[in-house]
Amino acid sequence: DGGITQSPKYLFRKEGQNVTLSCEQNLNHDAMYWYRQDPGQGLRLIYYSQIVNDFQKGDIAEGYSVSREKKESFPLTVTSAQKNPTAFYLCASTPWEGSNQPQHFGDGTRLSIL
Amino acid sequence: EDQVTQSPEALRLQEGESSSLNCSYTVSGLRGLFWYRQDPGKGPEFLFTLYSAGEEKEKERLKATLTKKESFLHITAPKPEDSATYLCAVQADRGSTLGRLYFGRGTQLTVWP
Repeated sequence: DGGITQSPKYLFRKEGQNVTLSCEQNLNHDAMYWYRQDPGQGLRLIYYSQIVNDFQKGDIAEGYSVSREKKESFPLTVTSAQKNPTAFYLCASTPWEGSNQPQHFGDGTRLSIL
Repeated sequence: EDQVTQSPEALRLQEGESSSLNCSYTVSGLRGLFWYRQDPGKGPEFLFTLYSAGEEKEKERLKATLTKKESFLHITAPKPEDSATYLCAVQADRGSTLGRLYFGRGTQLTVWP
C-alpha cells in the first residue's frame, strides 16, 4: 500500500545537537510538506517542496533545514538554533503543489529535549 | 490572524447522542475545505473534501456540509470509536502557495458508553 513513512517515532535531542527526522513516500507525489503540531494549536507549516531540488520556507522555518534530493524523500533537520523543538512533527504529501487533492500524512515523530 | 476557527475545543457525548462540530473560515477565496480525524500519537487521517457552498459528503455516521463561511461535521448516533480529534483545514485560491493548508486547532471529541 502506498503511504508516508516517518521515522523514528520518538526522538530525543540534547542541548546543542542537530537531529534529523526522516520522511519517505511511495505515492509518487511531487509536493511534500513538514508541519509542527503543539498541544492546543493548529498544524503550522515549517517547509514545503514542490519538486526535487526545490524547497521553500513556511511560516516557522527558523531553526530548521530541509533537503529534497530524491522525489520520495524529504528529511527535516532540527538545528540547535531551534530553542523550543519539543513538538509532534508531521510530514505530508500531495500530487503536486497547488493540487486541491487532500494531503496525505505520516504518523509523525515526537521530539523531546533531554 | 486565525483563518480557521473550530468550535467547540472539546466535546463530550454519550453514545448515541448526535451533535455537530463547527469550522468557520475567513479566506477570501476557498479552493477546498478538508476534514481530518486524528487519533492520539497518529497523523491526521483524511475524511472529506468540500469544494463549494451547498456541498455535502457522508461517511458512516459522519456528514460534512459547507456554506460560504463555515462547515459543519455532523455526527449521528456516535460510538466510542468515534472518539478522536477532528481537524478542519482550508485551501485558498490565491497566494504564493496554492497547495498550502491552513488548519484550525481541532475539536477533541470523547464519546462515552
